Amino acid sequence: EVQLVESGGGLVQPGGSLRLSCTASGFIFTDHAMHWVRQAPGKGLEYVSGINSNGGRTYYATSVKGRFTISRDNSKNTLYLQMGSLRAEDMAVYYCARDGGSYCFDHWGQGTLVTVSS
Amino acid sequence: QSALTQPPSASGSPGQSVTISCTGTSSDVGGYEYVSWYQQHPGKAPKLMIYEVSKRPSGVPDRFSGSKSGNTASLTVSGLQAEDEADYYCSSYAGSNNLVVFGGGTKLTVL
Repeated sequence: EVQLVESGGGLVQPGGSLRLSCTASGFIFTDHAMHWVRQAPGKGLEYVSGINSNGGRTYYATSVKGRFTISRDNSKNTLYLQMGSLRAEDMAVYYCARDGGSYCFDHWGQGTLVTVSS
Repeated sequence: QSALTQPPSASGSPGQSVTISCTGTSSDVGGYEYVSWYQQHPGKAPKLMIYEVSKRPSGVPDRFSGSKSGNTASLTVSGLQAEDEADYYCSSYAGSNNLVVFGGGTKLTVL
């Protein structure tokens, strides 16, 4: 069974940093690109960032480019999102999602909440 | 403002069919056969319902179908059931710079 478990969310002050992790199991991690998608409270889904299977290619939404860094450790089956210079508008549930091919997300984690507030 | 435009709400009675539209541009929906649809129940993670415009993942009922014409994609839910009440989001590949864009979501109510 495919499982994606996010961690690392919490309360952070504006301008602060946070690192999210997503631990994968139940599939061959190195076979799949991985992504982060977020959802602000009461709002829709927003694509944040993605990384290909070997970590050599990354993608970022314009809203986070230069502030967030995606990475992966294939030896640990873990995806990361390093978030910096956090703003109120970054407050959201962050989902880790597996790339199903064809630019779709076929498995999602349960999400981790990031709250940006002083 | 979302990159793809969806109606904020849709509704239908049990057993009826409802169609949700998703309008983009030639740079996303109209340019590629990579439209996906996701179902999200309150407090839950999204679930993939349709990929590559009209393909269903294993386990998704065939009551759910997808199509595309020009810059507009559509999700049709036939034989509406109470458990279909949820938010639905479309997404599309949008090129190597933006990668994926989402619609703003449609709240489907089963009357």
